[in-house]
Amino acid sequence: QKEVEQDPGPLSVPEGAIVSLNCTYSNSAFQYFMWYRQYSRKGPELLMYTYSSGNKEDGRFTAQVDKSSKYISLFIRDSQPSDSATYLCAMRGNFGNEKLTFGTGTRLTIIP
Amino acid sequence: SAVISQKPSRDICQRGTSLTIQCQVDSQVTMMFWYRQQPGQSLTLIATANQGSEATYESGFVIDKFPISRPNLTFSTLTVSNMSPEDSSIYLCSVEAAYEQYFGPGTRLTVT
Repeated sequence: QKEVEQDPGPLSVPEGAIVSLNCTYSNSAFQYFMWYRQYSRKGPELLMYTYSSGNKEDGRFTAQVDKSSKYISLFIRDSQPSDSATYLCAMRGNFGNEKLTFGTGTRLTIIP
Repeated sequence: SAVISQKPSRDICQRGTSLTIQCQVDSQVTMMFWYRQQPGQSLTLIATANQGSEATYESGFVIDKFPISRPNLTFSTLTVSNMSPEDSSIYLCSVEAAYEQYFGPGTRLTVT
């Protein structure tokens, strides 16, 4: 079993819809949770960063962490064609020497 | 944040040859990371490079195959040696700054 599981998609939704992207994980030591967005032929770009459980909102994006269920989500409201990209979740236990563990990424397409 | 550039952006190489990838950061950072990204797979950490010390390699990656240099706090190189088609991948440089991890645009390598 992988430490981090993420549905690879592809996921296609109409413009304006709410998008829900999810990851599950098995390591209860993870405390820092990140979402990266990666456009085609570009490097991953940090989108949201959350510590421990709870919600964090940034514009149209909301990150949720439920440590009891080992489940994290990224919601995109009022989705735009420019949101079309691959979204990767990543997590780690502590900063310092501990590495990030990534999901495989979900490929999202917003249809105009 | 940190702005990272990589050279080359892409290359096509012959089996058995070597390629050196350069990574430049716009600020001084302690740790630099090298990742590999293969289609449909998670980002895989190859090694962590600290200035002034030997790189630390992850399981499955060895210095003879992926030698790394870190001559100063803003620059690093990764060499992919004695290449085979299995080395075809995207190679990404990454740095940690202010508890966040940033990625370069990647080097797309094809080995024929």
